[in-house]
Amino acid sequence: GNSVTQMEGPVTLSEEAFLTINCTYTATGYPSLFWYVQYPGEGLQLLLKATKADDKGSNKGFEATYRKETTSFHLEKGSVQVSDSAVYFCALSDQGQAGTALIFGKGTTLSVSS
Amino acid sequence: EAGVTQFPSHSVIEKGQTVTLRCDPISGHDNLYWYRRVMGKEIKFLLHFVKESKQDESGMPNNRFLAERTGGTYSTLKVQPAELEDSGVYFCASSPDRAYGYTFGSGTRLTVV
Repeated sequence: GNSVTQMEGPVTLSEEAFLTINCTYTATGYPSLFWYVQYPGEGLQLLLKATKADDKGSNKGFEATYRKETTSFHLEKGSVQVSDSAVYFCALSDQGQAGTALIFGKGTTLSVSS
Repeated sequence: EAGVTQFPSHSVIEKGQTVTLRCDPISGHDNLYWYRRVMGKEIKFLLHFVKESKQDESGMPNNRFLAERTGGTYSTLKVQPAELEDSGVYFCASSPDRAYGYTFGSGTRLTVV
């Protein structure tokens, strides 16, 4: 079945460091891929998405490229800020399967210190 | 435009009691989803409504969970009787169409003691 695997956390970085959170997926169809973020005390927010191979999603300095050949959608940011501290979830939605909702990874907690 | 609203934000109940969670989707969104995250684990799909009909309830853990969406507007998720393993954060999301994307609520943190 479909699944998402993302790197275990927590990830602890200093401000302005480079961030990579790895995400790989398994899907039978042609999934759309997402990164969601949950800031402390808030709900899930869509950070970025990509709907087909080689698409790059970007938002707030974060980027992720849909790599079909490696079934990956790694999240990157060149210079993190303290305000980026949150839990990040990689997810997929398989448009090829009727009724399928989002499938999430376990989440990666990011802590950024000044 | 108001977002997805969930109520209550927190609930602490004793094992064996009943709890009802409510989700108000964005007006006009036919698709409504319930998800749950147990501490430290994946956010898992519970069920999907299209208007008032259950499109997919394959993620519901057992018959202690009952979801309704009367009239195709707000939805309730009732847990009766609650067990310790039901503790977690329950998220609701709505969407006008899967291709459009999903808007999530802030979640209800349920603690069963």
